[in-house]
Formats: sequence, C-alpha cells, structure tokens
Amino acid sequence: QVQLVESGGGVVPPGRSLRLSCVASGFTFNIYGMHWVRQAPGKGLEWVAAIWYDGSDKQYVDSVKGRFSISRDNSKNTVYLQMNSLRPEDTAIYYCAKDRVRGDECFQHWGQGTLVTVSS
Amino acid sequence: EIVMTQSPATLSVSPGDRATLSCRASQSIRTNLAWYQQKPGQAPRLLIYGASPRATGIPARFSGSGSETEFTLTISSLQSEDLAVYYCQQYNRWPFTFGGGTKVEVK
Repeated sequence: QVQLVESGGGVVPPGRSLRLSCVASGFTFNIYGMHWVRQAPGKGLEWVAAIWYDGSDKQYVDSVKGRFSISRDNSKNTVYLQMNSLRPEDTAIYYCAKDRVRGDECFQHWGQGTLVTVSS
Repeated sequence: EIVMTQSPATLSVSPGDRATLSCRASQSIRTNLAWYQQKPGQAPRLLIYGASPRATGIPARFSGSGSETEFTLTISSLQSEDLAVYYCQQYNRWPFTFGGGTKVEVK
C-alpha cells in the first residue's frame, strides 16, 4: 500500500536551515506530483509547495517563496523540502502528500508528518 | 490567492442527526474542491474530491455538492467516529488554499 514517511524535523533557531525528506513506497513515484502541507500547532492546514512528477515545475505559497525549495529524486522515491532563513511562524507539522491520481491535485495519501520548531 | 471560507466554525450535532458544512470560495473554482476530515493527532483524510465523488473507502453517509463558489459537505446521520475537524481545499488555481475548518462536536 501507499506509504509516505517524512523525516528531518527538529528544533532550530531563527535564521537557520533544515531539510525535510519524504520517502515514498507502494506506488509508481515518478508519475505523480508531490506536495508539502503544514499545520501550525492548534491551527489549520496550509499548502506549502508542489513539484511536478518530473521536477519540471514547482509552485510555492507566497510566504515561503525565496526561502523554501522543493525537489525530488525519482531514483530514490524521495521528495525534499529545503527550508532556509527559518522564522518562528514556520513552526508546524510538515506533511508530504501525493496527487490523488495523476493530474488531480487533491491528497488521498499523506505521511504522518514531521515537526519543525523554530525557536531560540 | 483564492480565499476559502468555511462555516460554521463549530457545529454541535446529536448522533444520528444530519450535519451540513459550508465552504465558499472567493472566486470560481469550478468543481476543483476537496473535503478532508482530521482527528486529533492524525493526518487529514480525504473524503470528497471534485466537489462530489467520495474517495475510496468513504462511507455513503458523506456527500458533497456544489460548484463555482458554493460547496456543501453533508453527513447524513452523524456517528460518534465522525467527530473531527473538516477542511475544504481548492485546487483550481495556485497557490492551493484550505478553509479554516469546521469542528464537529457532540451536542
């Protein structure tokens, strides 16, 4: 079955960097778009970034443009989120998710999430 | 950015009763609308995609309707396991956006 396993979260001071990883299994990774969605403590969901199945296009929410970068390695069935210049407001659980079906960008499958805490 | 507005923020429902949740988009999103259920400590679960089809394994008591800017999620007969926060999401235009959520609680 489909599995998405995130890692890389932790506690970092403001201004530092962190890279999240999401390893996928149970489906043909290289034909699906992948996404990162975050949830601040006690708050709602916020879509963060997306990457096309082949990495040819990427999209970001305005609040992370220029600071975060999404990438993928289809040979490793892994999607990444490089987070630079972290701010306290980036504190959240970060989930990776896959397109429901190719080209349909809602999220049938989610990982368990990895917690990022930005604090001095 | 398309703003998604959900109402009410909290819905108190008795078991067995109908629950009706609303989601409004600030501009037309056609039927590119999904509904998710989230329970404490869990990742969201897809209920509805394309405004009305149920996702795999979702019980028939969940139904979605609407198009353009007005959407509804209906739980026909609330079960205790349906107590959760429900989110709508538009995927018609970047950046994708979620509504603020409706918490369904026991009356």
